[in-house]
Amino acid sequence: GENVEQHPSTLSVQEGDSAVIKCTYSDSASNYFPWYKQELGKRPQLIIDIRSNVGEKKDQRIAVTLNKTAKHFSLHITETQPEDSAVYFCAASSGNDYKLSFGAGTTVTVRA
Amino acid sequence: GAGVSQSPSNKVTEKGKDVELRCDPISGHTALYWYRQRLGQGLEFLIYFQGNSAPDKSGLPSDRFSAERTGESVSTLTIQRTQQEDSAVYLCASSTIGLAGAPTGELFFGEGSRLTVL
Repeated sequence: GENVEQHPSTLSVQEGDSAVIKCTYSDSASNYFPWYKQELGKRPQLIIDIRSNVGEKKDQRIAVTLNKTAKHFSLHITETQPEDSAVYFCAASSGNDYKLSFGAGTTVTVRA
Repeated sequence: GAGVSQSPSNKVTEKGKDVELRCDPISGHTALYWYRQRLGQGLEFLIYFQGNSAPDKSGLPSDRFSAERTGESVSTLTIQRTQQEDSAVYLCASSTIGLAGAPTGELFFGEGSRLTVL
């Protein structure tokens, strides 16, 4: 099955700086890569996703890049704000596969 | 309802007791998932329903765990003879099914049921 590894497990950044989280996956058939944000005590919510026919996708201050050859993808948050503090999970699944395999999560803390 | 609803939100039980956790998915969502999240860890897949059938139960940790879904709606996750290692947040999620017969992408999660086994 798919195995997703996520780094770092914790990340502390100064407000206004950028944050980068990296994930690797094992199944070369995987072609859908979402990122979920989970604020303390809340449900995970999708913030951005990318499919394998695209190398990069951006939505305001967040962007995701995908390197299919190396089987890794990354989340970039620019101009971080206190409300970006949360746990971020990457995930991967193949085209007709219903099952998302999640990384272990990255706890991001934005220092004011 | 507007979102995925789970109950109870918190459950404290004694070791050896049975518990039932309920999930009400978003109306019309054919796909339903159960995940387990231990403290400080990622989301661990338990089971997937497409309609009322469960084509993948591979994530259920043991035969003490079972789940069912009726009316392509409500799902119940049952844990028999609970153990302390079952303590976790149990998350339910739902999504739509596309023309290809596979979930379309975004999972909509409930707020989870926090289970504590004493």
